[in-house]
Amino acid sequence: EAGVAQSPRYKIIEKRQSVAFWCNPISGHATLYWYQQILGQGPKLLIQFQNNGVVDDSQLPKDRFSAERLKGVDSTLKIQPAKLEDSAVYLCASSSLAGDNGELFFGEGSRLTVL
Amino acid sequence: GENVEQHPSTLSVQEGDSAVIKCTYSDSASNYFPWYKQELGKGPQLIIDIRSNVGEKKDQRIAVTLNKTAKHFSLHITETQPEDSAVYFCATRAAGNKLTFGGGTRVLVKP
Repeated sequence: EAGVAQSPRYKIIEKRQSVAFWCNPISGHATLYWYQQILGQGPKLLIQFQNNGVVDDSQLPKDRFSAERLKGVDSTLKIQPAKLEDSAVYLCASSSLAGDNGELFFGEGSRLTVL
Repeated sequence: GENVEQHPSTLSVQEGDSAVIKCTYSDSASNYFPWYKQELGKGPQLIIDIRSNVGEKKDQRIAVTLNKTAKHFSLHITETQPEDSAVYFCATRAAGNKLTFGGGTRVLVKP
């Protein structure tokens, strides 16, 4: 079974530039999450989708971050304009709607460096 | 919202010894407590989990204990091996499927 795919793996930009990350979840997984992981910290939820609807985006800095999940499969996370404090690994995860075991399957992440 | 504290932040053990990581949480509605292992350059991977109606769960060399009254749970790794070296995260879930993670514990197993 293919895992969660993310791209790009690495991205370096200057502050005030924009960047976009892409995620393809495990086939059939209805729930998709974007987490931000700053170096030395635990992942922090940015946004959670159920199919193509937003379930929770309470911690998404909406003045600069946006995310979409068109057609309920792939998702894109965008940052515009980027700030120095956005340097982090952006993790995408997915989980199955069926069952309630809560297991999240994570991708390898996209590491962003803002200079 | 939920707050999860994890200790210690780093843990160095000799191969073959045991390692214990502890987490406390604030939301009494939390009902699911997973542990994730993250290796360098990889995403976190679930290694064991426990639900609020169970006090202890074991899977080979790893075990998790839960004390709902005190709002804390712990990960125990016995007979540690070099491949256990990684960062471990505890997490909790209350409503929906939103996980709140602790700050992580970097475990180093010395041969």
